[in-house]
Amino acid sequence: DADVTQTPRNRITKTGKRIMLECSQTKGHDRMYWYRQDPGLGLRLIYYSFDVKDINKGEISDGYSVSRQAQAKFSLSLESAIPNQTALYFCATSFVSRTGGIETQYFGPGTRLLVL
Amino acid sequence: GQNIDQPTEMTATEGAIVQINCTYQTSGFNGLFWYQQHAGEAPTFLSYNVLDGLEEKGRFSSFLSRSKGYSYLLLKELQMKDSASYLCAVRGAAGNKLTFGGGTRVLVKP
Repeated sequence: DADVTQTPRNRITKTGKRIMLECSQTKGHDRMYWYRQDPGLGLRLIYYSFDVKDINKGEISDGYSVSRQAQAKFSLSLESAIPNQTALYFCATSFVSRTGGIETQYFGPGTRLLVL
Repeated sequence: GQNIDQPTEMTATEGAIVQINCTYQTSGFNGLFWYQQHAGEAPTFLSYNVLDGLEEKGRFSSFLSRSKGYSYLLLKELQMKDSASYLCAVRGAAGNKLTFGGGTRVLVKP
């Protein structure tokens, strides 16, 4: 079973609709992230959370909101979708080891979103 | 602010070597990561550098010079399956988030 899952994997919606993208993880990691990826622009951070009570804006948070319902779940919402939010969205997780080691981010399989 | 530059695309021949450069300007530095991403798939971790020098991992090596704000990823004995995008990412300060470059698409030809 995958450690980081995203639903749905593909979504087509219309301008103005509210949609939610879900991310779940079984890795037991504290930290979770939402990115979007556009051709040639790499991954850009939308929101991140270091624990259930912690929510932080990334570099492109306008038009998005998130909810960290539990350690294992981090949802991304588009309140009123617009065409320039068409992109590939990735969720990622990480943890900080108390004994050292690299804090690596592990990515989910992605959600391809098309806003018409 | 954070700025990370890497070439958009590179082409190489199967069995050859390719070097992907990454330059960065960041506020603080706490490590540089390289990820591999096949088309339509999730990025996967390749390597990490936090001190100057070369880290070798099989056919892949990564180098860092903090004073120059420079890193490279070296792929040796290229295989067709190495055709992918390679993402350079920098962590700016302890416990902080990653900033990614635009990625370098490597095409390996027979």
